[in-house]
Amino acid sequence: KAGVTQTPRYLIKTRGQQVTLSCSPISGHRSVSWYQQTPGQGLQFLFEYFSETQRNKGNFPGRFSGRQFSNSRSEMNVSTLELGDSALYLCASSLSGIVSYNEQFFGPGTRLTVL
Amino acid sequence: DQQVKQNSPSLSVQEGRISILNCDYTNSMFDYFLWYKKYPAEGPTFLISISSIKDKNEDGRFTVFLNKSAKHLSLHIVPSQPGDSAVYFCAASADSGAGSYQLTFGKGTKLSVIP
Repeated sequence: KAGVTQTPRYLIKTRGQQVTLSCSPISGHRSVSWYQQTPGQGLQFLFEYFSETQRNKGNFPGRFSGRQFSNSRSEMNVSTLELGDSALYLCASSLSGIVSYNEQFFGPGTRLTVL
Repeated sequence: DQQVKQNSPSLSVQEGRISILNCDYTNSMFDYFLWYKKYPAEGPTFLISISSIKDKNEDGRFTVFLNKSAKHLSLHIVPSQPGDSAVYFCAASADSGAGSYQLTFGKGTKLSVIP
């Protein structure tokens, strides 16, 4: 069974630009969560999508948005990039998002560098 | 406000000895706890979890202990092996009220197992 895939793996952008990251969950998984990992803050929850609906959202500004398609693939968009957005963005999928029964499986991440 | 804290950024242990990784939390609403292991250039992988109704869960060489009164959990690895060298993240989950569970992560502890 293929794991969670994220594209692209590496990305370099400049301040003010926007970026779209993609995540393909494990087949059959309907929940996709996004996390930002930085050295100073660790792993922080961005949002979770289930059946094309945003079900949960972390404490990030509105520049961070996402969506999920009918095939459960998800995209994350960051507009008006800032230097502080440089991070590893991780996507995780699970069957239903109920952590106690279905642990999340993480992708390898997309390394975003903002210059 | 960091709700999940891993106060030791790094830990070195001799091969064959016990590794003990610690994690403290502040939110009494957390009801499920997980440990993830992360190698460089890979996403975190699930290691072991424990429900708040238990105080111990064991899986092979890995045991997680939960002390709810102290809001403390620990991961024991016995015996430690060089392949265990990685960054270990503690995570906690609480029902967000929308049928979705949001993971809150600590900043990680880098474990080095010395041959």
